[in-house]
Amino acid sequence: EVQLVESGGGLVKPGGSLRLSCAASGFTFSSYSMNWVRQAPGKGLEWVSSISSSSSYIYYADSVKGRFTISRDNAKNSLYLQMNSLRAEDTAVYYCARVVVVPAARNMDVWGKGTTVTVSS
Amino acid sequence: QPVLTQSSSASASLGSSVKLTCTLSSGHSSYIIAWHQQQPGKAPRYLMKLEGSGSYNKGSGVPDRFSGSSSGADRYLTISNLQSEDEADYYCETWDSNAQWVFGGGTKLTVL
Repeated sequence: EVQLVESGGGLVKPGGSLRLSCAASGFTFSSYSMNWVRQAPGKGLEWVSSISSSSSYIYYADSVKGRFTISRDNAKNSLYLQMNSLRAEDTAVYYCARVVVVPAARNMDVWGKGTTVTVSS
Repeated sequence: QPVLTQSSSASASLGSSVKLTCTLSSGHSSYIIAWHQQQPGKAPRYLMKLEGSGSYNKGSGVPDRFSGSSSGADRYLTISNLQSEDEADYYCETWDSNAQWVFGGGTKLTVL
């Protein structure tokens, strides 16, 4: 069964740091690009960051650029998101998602259950 | 960068059909999109990939009641024989060659 399981969420003070993890199973993790997507309470989905299969290409939304770092360990079938300088507006459920790449397009086709990050003093 | 526009809400009766719309912004009418369903309190679930031609590929386990179609810049998700479990938020998503991902604002579907 294809599965993504996030962990590492919690309560952190503004300005603090947190590292999220996403454990992948049931597919060849090293063959897929991966995304982090977040959802603030009562709001819609917001893309956060992407990483290609070999980590050669990394992208961030403007809202997190310079504060968040995406990485992966293909040997451990794991995806990470290091979040620094956290702000109240980073409060959200964070999902990891698998990316399917086709010529001139890509989309997310598998989602994890999410991990909750709350930034509050 | 493309913008995806969705109605904020829709409603339909149990057993009927509903057609949700996702509209691509000007200059992006050929883009491929994906539809995702998010039931209350749950993670999103991938439904299908939908091309501008109207061709679509559904995810594993997605019921036959779900189908896709396209017309110009509009991408549609049709749900037939509505069930109570179809009450959910539906999001469209696309990717831009500038390596940016975009989501529509989501449509909250109520099954009456």
